[in-house]
Amino acid sequence: NAGVMQNPRHLVRRRGQEARLRCSPMKGHSHVYWYRQLPEEGLKFMVYLQKENIIDESGMPKERFSAEFPKEGPSILRIQQVVRGDSAAYFCASSPHSDQPQHFGDGTRLSIL
Amino acid sequence: KQEVTQIPAALSVPEGENLVLNCSFTDSAIYNLQWFRQDPGKGLTSLLLIQSSQREQTSGRLNASLDKSSGRSTLYIAASQPGDSATYLCAVLASGGSNYKLTFGKGTLLTVNP
Repeated sequence: NAGVMQNPRHLVRRRGQEARLRCSPMKGHSHVYWYRQLPEEGLKFMVYLQKENIIDESGMPKERFSAEFPKEGPSILRIQQVVRGDSAAYFCASSPHSDQPQHFGDGTRLSIL
Repeated sequence: KQEVTQIPAALSVPEGENLVLNCSFTDSAIYNLQWFRQDPGKGLTSLLLIQSSQREQTSGRLNASLDKSSGRSTLYIAASQPGDSATYLCAVLASGGSNYKLTFGKGTLLTVNP
């Protein structure tokens, strides 16, 4: 049973470009969570999605960031017009139910030139 | 707003030593508390999960305790080994309507020297 798969592992973008981060949850998990780890900071909750629905996006920056979890395919975290401050590690986690332990992927390291 | 603090931020010990990592949280209304391990460039590996009704959990050389009323948890590592070198993260899961949102501390960077 494969774990949470995130790709790409590393992503380099220039300022103003778009970044798309993908997350395939564990088999049987329909709840997905995105966290961001800024340099020298702890992981911060961004958004919680259940198939086709955004349940809580209280941790998402108000502009340029969006997330989706379509009926088919992986969850996508999209960052438009990236800036240097977006450089961070982005982690995805999944669980079978909201109050069950979350299983984490290896993260995507985003670097902005 | 829940805040999680981990002390110390970094710790370096010789192999074989027993050690304690500390975690404190400001809001005692938690569903559970987890300790994770994070290796450089890797994701998070769950080590121990303590439900709010429990006082401690053990796995091998690891023992985690929870004192919900005082907002504290400790992770005890016995007979440390160089392979234990990693960043250890403490995270609490809120109770009630937000029992899906993990709040993390900044971690303790542990180095075990051979």
